[in-house]
Amino acid sequence: GEDVEQSLFLSVREGDSSVINCTYTDSSSTYLYWYKQEPGAGLQLLTYIFSNMDMKQDQRLTVLLNKKDKHLSLRIADTQTGDSAIYFCAEIPNQAGTALIFGKGTTLSVSS
Amino acid sequence: DADVTQTPRNRITKTGKRIMLECSQTKGHDRMYWYRQDPGLGLRLIYYSFDVKDINKGEISDGYSVSRQAQAKFSLSLESAIPNQTALYFCATSDGKGRRGRGPEAFFGQGTRLTVV
Repeated sequence: GEDVEQSLFLSVREGDSSVINCTYTDSSSTYLYWYKQEPGAGLQLLTYIFSNMDMKQDQRLTVLLNKKDKHLSLRIADTQTGDSAIYFCAEIPNQAGTALIFGKGTTLSVSS
Repeated sequence: DADVTQTPRNRITKTGKRIMLECSQTKGHDRMYWYRQDPGLGLRLIYYSFDVKDINKGEISDGYSVSRQAQAKFSLSLESAIPNQTALYFCATSDGKGRRGRGPEAFFGQGTRLTVV
């Protein structure tokens, strides 16, 4: 089947902005998600966006959604060393009920 | 206490052995999932269950089986473990609905690191 695509690595300096990109598969996905996985931990929901929105801002996080291109991005402003983690894009392809389908994850490395 | 608890957290087993990974949740959710995580491959869905009588195969169910013993418990079994099943396994739960304009959210356990030698 089709995959949720993400670049695997991103390296930034502390204080810079980070942009993590994702291409998802199903134009009917109602919600799209960003999960964060810190080393040795499970996944935690970072933010989400409803498909009728183009943008959502939550403190340092900005999510942009381009439904035409099925492209989702996560921007982290003023990136901190504590933001170093793996970030997963995810969708629920069928609102009637399949599970979250995840991208391969982008490892964000923040250097001081 | 964690909302989603996986046991064991770490396990080393030999090829050919049967092993069970357990998951329990206190969220009261109907939906439970098992994923495996491999470096560079992200999380792949193994099995999912929408209620006690409902079991569904995911993307990579071969070599695995599951049991939904109760609403709160969902176990994953490897009938005859092989080395390429070495991975980090996650259990997750969801109510599937979301609330107050939020989408459905999945809650994850801390993971079980399984090594098959």
